Amino acid sequence: LAKTTQPISMDSYEGQEVNITCSHNNIATNDYITWYQQFPSQGPRFIIQGYKTKVTNEVASLFIPADRKSSTLSLPRVSLSDTAVYYCLVGLSGNTGKLIFGQGTTLQVKP
Amino acid sequence: NAGVTQTPKFRVLKTGQSMTLLCAQDMNHEYMYWYRQDPGMGLRLIHYSVGEGTTAKGEVPDGYNVSRLKKQNFLLGLESAAPSQTSVYFCASSYTLSNYGYTFGSGTRLTVV
Repeated sequence: LAKTTQPISMDSYEGQEVNITCSHNNIATNDYITWYQQFPSQGPRFIIQGYKTKVTNEVASLFIPADRKSSTLSLPRVSLSDTAVYYCLVGLSGNTGKLIFGQGTTLQVKP
Repeated sequence: NAGVTQTPKFRVLKTGQSMTLLCAQDMNHEYMYWYRQDPGMGLRLIHYSVGEGTTAKGEVPDGYNVSRLKKQNFLLGLESAAPSQTSVYFCASSYTLSNYGYTFGSGTRLTVV
């Protein structure tokens, strides 16, 4: 299981673009990169997943360089409601599909 | 379309008491999981199930038991609660082994005094 490293916390202001980078040097060939978001007092929810290059949906973009040893979650024009913990996950533990979470990045958006 | 429902949402137990947390999903998901979340620790996997009638240990299984008698329900039991089990418990389910398809419940906040 590829270990991930991401910043513990980040601050931003409303309207700014936020980029959260995750390092995963030991990513395996068939591993996907997935990001989850967790609001206070709620369970995590899926944001985006990618394998290589760029993926975009209505919530965020995910940038993955060619070597796949890192990835960047990009949140355009954040608002106060984007204040949350963001988790980067790579691969699965064994073949059971169980997610293993790290500490995540706490994003604080200020007015 | 309820998704994943956890009951109760809050509970206070005395040390040594027992209780069962219920997780129910209506998405016909094969896989179900119990996590606990403590401040600064992220989510840690307690037990999981890959199908009806199956259970397996996760990262932190000690002090907990689980049962999956029906596909839609996954029960987490504390036989003799300890203060160290004070935490927020999350249940999740998924249809496939892919790491994107997880649906989490809203959590149960348990305090053991």
